[in-house]
Amino acid sequence: KAGVTQTPRYLIKTRGQQVTLSCSPISGHRSVSWYQQTPGQGLQFLFEYFSETQRNKGNFPGRFSGRQFSNSRSEMNVSTLELGDSALYLCASSSGQAGLSGELFFGEGSRLTVL
Amino acid sequence: GENVEQHPSTLSVQEGDSAVIKCTYSDSASNYFPWYKQELGKGPQLIIDIRSNVGEKKDQRIAVTLNKTAKHFSLHITETQPEDSAVYFCAPLPGAGSYQLTFGKGTKLSVIP
Repeated sequence: KAGVTQTPRYLIKTRGQQVTLSCSPISGHRSVSWYQQTPGQGLQFLFEYFSETQRNKGNFPGRFSGRQFSNSRSEMNVSTLELGDSALYLCASSSGQAGLSGELFFGEGSRLTVL
Repeated sequence: GENVEQHPSTLSVQEGDSAVIKCTYSDSASNYFPWYKQELGKGPQLIIDIRSNVGEKKDQRIAVTLNKTAKHFSLHITETQPEDSAVYFCAPLPGAGSYQLTFGKGTKLSVIP
């Protein structure tokens, strides 16, 4: 069974640009979550999608957005990039329907560097 | 929201010794208590979990214990090996119907050969 796939793995952007990250969950998983990981703040929840609906959103500004497609693949977008957006962005999938109930399966992440 | 504290933030042990990491949470409705391991350049991976109706769970060299009254759970690794070196995160699930995990800040474990 293929794991969670995130693309691109590495990218460099400059301040003010925008970026789109992609996540393909494990086959059959309909829940996709996004987390931002930085040395200072650790792992912070961005948002969670299930069947193309955003069910929960973390405490991030509106520059961070996401969506999920009918095949459960998800994308997140960050507009007007700031230096502080440099981080590892992790996607996780699960089979959870009525909320999370068990294991999250993480991808290897997309490392974003903003110059 | 759930407040999660994890201690220690770094831990160095000699190969073969035991390691213990503690996680304290605030939400008394929390019912699922996982530990994740993150190796360099990889995403976190679940290594063991426990549900609120169980006090202890063991899987070979790793175990998790839960004290719901005191609202903390701990990861125990015995006979540590160099491949145990990684960052470990606790992430208690705050009750049924929650859609996000709140992760602890992580513990960097170094096993010295």
